[in-house]
Amino acid sequence: GAVVSQHPSRVICKSGTSVKIECRSLDFQATTMFWYRQFPKQSLMLMATSNEGSKATYEQGVEKDKFLINHASLTLSTLTVTSAHPEDSSFYICSARVWDDEQFFGPGTRLTVL
Amino acid sequence: EDKVVQSPLSLVVHEGDTVTLNCSYEVTNFRSLLWYKQEKKAPTFLFMLTSSGIEKKSGRLSSILDKKELFSILNITATQTGDSAVYLCAVYSGTYKYIFGTGTRLKVLA
Repeated sequence: GAVVSQHPSRVICKSGTSVKIECRSLDFQATTMFWYRQFPKQSLMLMATSNEGSKATYEQGVEKDKFLINHASLTLSTLTVTSAHPEDSSFYICSARVWDDEQFFGPGTRLTVL
Repeated sequence: EDKVVQSPLSLVVHEGDTVTLNCSYEVTNFRSLLWYKQEKKAPTFLFMLTSSGIEKKSGRLSSILDKKELFSILNITATQTGDSAVYLCAVYSGTYKYIFGTGTRLKVLA
C-alpha cells in the first residue's frame, strides 16, 4: 500500500507555543489529505480536509485560526497548532486518499502540552 | 446527520474463537466502506468494500457489505492474540470525507 509519513512522532511543548506537524506521501502524489485527532479510547475525529493548492475545509467546531493547515505541494501537508494549550494534547493523525477511495494513514503524532 | 455505528464496543474471546464485528451506517451518498485495524499507533488498512454481497478475504479475515440493509461485517476466524486491537469501520461519502465509527475493541486471550 501507499506510504504516508508523519513528523514528529512525539512532541512535548509548553503552553503558548506553536507546534508544526508534517505529513508526507512518500511514493505517490496526494491531492487530498485529511487531518484527524484522536483522544484516548475514542475514535478518529476528522478535523479538516486539505486540498493541494487551496484552502483547507474545516469541520464544524474546529478553529481555523488555531489549527493552521497548509498543503503547498502534492506530497506535503502541514498542521500547525498555534498557541497550544493542555487541552490540545492529543494524538494527531494525517491520511491521504489514494486510488479510488482507499485512505492510508501516517503513523501519528502524539502532542503533549504542558 | 451521517453516522456510523459499530457493535459490540468491546469483545473478549479466547484464541481459536471466531468473531464477527458489525458496522451499520446512515450516510448520504455512500461511496465505499473501509475497515481498519488500530493497535498502538495509526490505523492500518484492511478492506475496502463498494459492492453488496461480494466477500473480501485476506487470510483469516473476511468482510462483506450489504448496501440494502446498510451494514457490513468483519469476520475473524481462528483468532490469535495478535488480533487484539481496535477495529474501525469508516464510510467514504459523497461529501468526500470519511466518517468513522467508534470502533470495536477486541481482546484475544491466550
